[in-house]
Amino acid sequence: SQQGEEDPQALSIQEGENATMNCSYKTSINNLQWYRQNSGRGLVHLILIRSNEREKHSGRLRVTLDTSKKSSSLLITASRAADTASYFCATGRGSTLGRLYFGRGTQLTVWP
Amino acid sequence: DVKVTQSSRYLVKRTGEKVFLECVQDMDHENMFWYRQDPGLGLRLIYFSYDVKMKEKGDIPEGYSVSREKKERFSLILESASTNQTSMYLCASSATTGGAYNEQFFGPGTRLTVL
Repeated sequence: SQQGEEDPQALSIQEGENATMNCSYKTSINNLQWYRQNSGRGLVHLILIRSNEREKHSGRLRVTLDTSKKSSSLLITASRAADTASYFCATGRGSTLGRLYFGRGTQLTVWP
Repeated sequence: DVKVTQSSRYLVKRTGEKVFLECVQDMDHENMFWYRQDPGLGLRLIYFSYDVKMKEKGDIPEGYSVSREKKERFSLILESASTNQTSMYLCASSATTGGAYNEQFFGPGTRLTVL
């Protein structure tokens, strides 16, 4: 069963613009993670934010988490064509032996 | 560098064949996972394992089985392949550190076509 739901399903922007993707989930979590997938490849972990954290940065990535609204956002600043990929959020619950619940993803296209 | 490898990138099998998909990780991770990914459906968990010889069903275990005889290797078995098992199969592994679960590392995927 999917836990996270990304929004929008698809996003198309120009290079240099910022890209914001949102993720909503339904149950309590102990962490939320964002992954990237280039076409036809495996997923690559981008960032993990724990339930007691509100914001995290990694390079051009900024993730926020609002546990009261059960939502997270991923901001990619100054997008590049190489950022074109699918982005997935995944939630982890403390009692589930390390399994993650993935959303269906946002397809980001960055035009040169 | 962390690595998860899968035995094949592309595989074509016939209906009714027994299919083995192998996954090996070199990070001494406790947890390993098998997902399938289909357009519009995202990643769906088939089975996972948190220790050698241990396995847990995910959301769609029907038609699949798994084997974990060694810590580094997790095999997915399609007992009798069917056309609706045509999909991209992704393997992942993760560590458990101090009781906390960490990020998953994914293999490159196996695109299986069942004719």
